[in-house]
Amino acid sequence: DTEVTQTPKHLVMGMTNKKSLKCEQHMGHRAMYWYKQKAKKPPELMFVYSYEKLSINESVPSRFSPECPNSSLLNLHLHALQPEDSALYLCASSQVQGKGTGELFFGEGSRLTVL
Amino acid sequence: AQTVTQSQPEMSVQEAETVTLSCTYDTSESDYYLFWYKQPPSRQMILVIRQEAYKQQNATENRFSVNFQKAAKSFSLKISDSQLGDAAMYFCAYREGGSNFGNEKLTFGTGTRLTIIP
Repeated sequence: DTEVTQTPKHLVMGMTNKKSLKCEQHMGHRAMYWYKQKAKKPPELMFVYSYEKLSINESVPSRFSPECPNSSLLNLHLHALQPEDSALYLCASSQVQGKGTGELFFGEGSRLTVL
Repeated sequence: AQTVTQSQPEMSVQEAETVTLSCTYDTSESDYYLFWYKQPPSRQMILVIRQEAYKQQNATENRFSVNFQKAAKSFSLKISDSQLGDAAMYFCAYREGGSNFGNEKLTFGTGTRLTIIP
């Protein structure tokens, strides 16, 4: 299994809603990532988890709250978002630093629209 | 901080011809990986080819090959016999090697949109 599965594929939410994005992988990877991608732009790193511990937070606003319940799952909890947070949210996984061949495996993304 | 630069926002090529996409990067590290990812309109990021910095030999994957010039910090992608399915956004990306906790980030260039002309 070489897939990273993200749900939902599309999400529309109001600014007062609370929602979550989910990501799952069964490749035995111990590093997992959230990226945000605006149209016609490269992905921007938000968070990295390594061995289920948060290793990188790229100064993301607290209305985005990541969670890594176990080595296969990664969640992104969303609360009080702004319209400018509308974007494609990509999850990825990889071997940790120093292991494997270095590449990240990406899911298909969750397209988020904030009204 | 590492930076990755792609100077060609858009490129086009006739079907069956060859095209080269450019990428330069800046780093003070000696151990790192370089990648080319493809993102078609379906939006999933797909790995095209990888290169380990310690390997002098240029990586190849079927119709895709790279020209890795470590001293010049250049990493271009050549696509031979271009096909309609190659149309996509192509991102060059850099990742540090080593085993330092907290250094797993993958840094992307700004991308090159490739159009294939039938």
